[in-house]
Amino acid sequence: EDQVTQSPEALRLQEGESSSLNCSYTVSGLRGLFWYRQDPGKGPEFLFTLYSAGEEKEKERLKATLTKKESFLHITAPKPEDSATYLCAGKVSGYSTLTFGKGTMLLVSP
Amino acid sequence: DGGITQSPKYLFRKEGQNVTLSCEQNLNHDAMYWYRQDPGQGLRLIYYSQIVNDFQKGDIAEGYSVSREKKESFPLTVTSAQKNPTAFYLCASSGGETQYFGPGTRLLVL
Repeated sequence: EDQVTQSPEALRLQEGESSSLNCSYTVSGLRGLFWYRQDPGKGPEFLFTLYSAGEEKEKERLKATLTKKESFLHITAPKPEDSATYLCAGKVSGYSTLTFGKGTMLLVSP
Repeated sequence: DGGITQSPKYLFRKEGQNVTLSCEQNLNHDAMYWYRQDPGQGLRLIYYSQIVNDFQKGDIAEGYSVSREKKESFPLTVTSAQKNPTAFYLCASSGGETQYFGPGTRLLVL
C-alpha cells in the first residue's frame, strides 16, 4: 500500500532557529512529490513539486529536497508568519490522485 | 481573478438531511477533486473527475455523491447515509500535475 509519513507531527521553533521537516514515502513509481502549506481554517497552498532524486527547489526561507526514499522541507531562519501546517503528498505513476501525509504543524515563536 | 471558490464557508446539517457543497473553478482545469479533512488526519479523497460527465470513487466515497455536468463545477452531496459528516471539505482542481485547492467548507451536524 502506498504511504506517505510526515515527521515530526508538531514542531516548535524560536524565530531564527532553522530546522527541517521530513516526508518519507513508500510508493512505487513516484511521479511527483508535492509540498503544501495550510493555515488554520483555510485550503492548502501549493509550495513545490519535486520529480527526481537530487532535485531541490527554494522559495524565500523554504527549500525542498528529494531523495529516493524521502523529502525534506528545510526552513532557514523562520519567522512567526511561517507558522502553519505543512503537508506533503506523493503522486504515483499511472494515477492522477495524490496520497497525503498527515502533516507537520509548525509553530514559530517570536 | 482565476481561482477556486467553495460555498458556503459553514454548513449545518440536520439528522437525515442531504446537503450539497458547491465547488466552482475558472482555471479551465479538466480535473477536479473532493477531499475530507479531519483533525490530526491527512486529506482523504472522496471523489474525483478527470473530464465532464465522468467521475470515480476515491478512498471514502460511501455516503457521498457527485456530478460533473459542467467543466467549471463539481458539487458534492453529503447524504443521510454518511453517519459522521462533521469535517472540513476541500475541493481541488488540476490542469496538469499540480492540484490547487479552494478555501474549504466546514460541515457541522446539528
